[in-house]
Amino acid sequence: GAVVSQHPSWVICKSGTSVKIECRSLDFQATTMFWYRQFPKQSLMLMATSNEGSKATYEQGVEKDKFLINHASLTLSTLTVTSAHPEDSSFYICSAGTSAYNEQFFGPGTRLTVL
Amino acid sequence: GQQVMQIPQYQHVQEGEDFTTYCNSSTTLSNIQWYKQRPGGHPVFLIQLVKSGEVKKQKRLTFQFGEAKKNSSLHITATQTTDVGTYFCARGAQKLVFGQGTRLTINP
Repeated sequence: GAVVSQHPSWVICKSGTSVKIECRSLDFQATTMFWYRQFPKQSLMLMATSNEGSKATYEQGVEKDKFLINHASLTLSTLTVTSAHPEDSSFYICSAGTSAYNEQFFGPGTRLTVL
Repeated sequence: GQQVMQIPQYQHVQEGEDFTTYCNSSTTLSNIQWYKQRPGGHPVFLIQLVKSGEVKKQKRLTFQFGEAKKNSSLHITATQTTDVGTYFCARGAQKLVFGQGTRLTINP
């Protein structure tokens, strides 16, 4: 299967600061990646679709100015949580797929804690 | 997209007992995928079902897709402690809409 990495795996930051999370497809190219958020003991909620070379598509209720997504290359998408607040504390996970597989491959996730 | 409803939310069993989680949709699904997420981990793909009435097996796991393609189930026979985790169904292909998940805990 394909491998997706995320960095960092966890981050603690102060309220008001910005945090950048990287999602990389290690052994395949991904024109599309997906960002999910998961609160404790809850399901994964799709935040946005990251499109290489174009603007991301955000799901309803997700603030595009707060969650900045950049997909500058076929192997890297970044999610920046701007002016983070404690309610943004969550587990952020990216996924990507290839035409060779039916499944989505998920990164290991980034646990964000905003103090 | 439409939500998929998954039940039960939690299930605690004795090791060796069977376990089943159900996924239901109000609309016809083109496909359904199942994922497992271990505690602290990320979702890992288990299987995709596409055909009406499809049944697939993976060792002790049996996956079914309803005739009307509106429901699906995952059944684990004789659970083992390694089966602990949350099982999610998801509709879609790339852009996934997840069910609420069923958290399985096992008493050894």
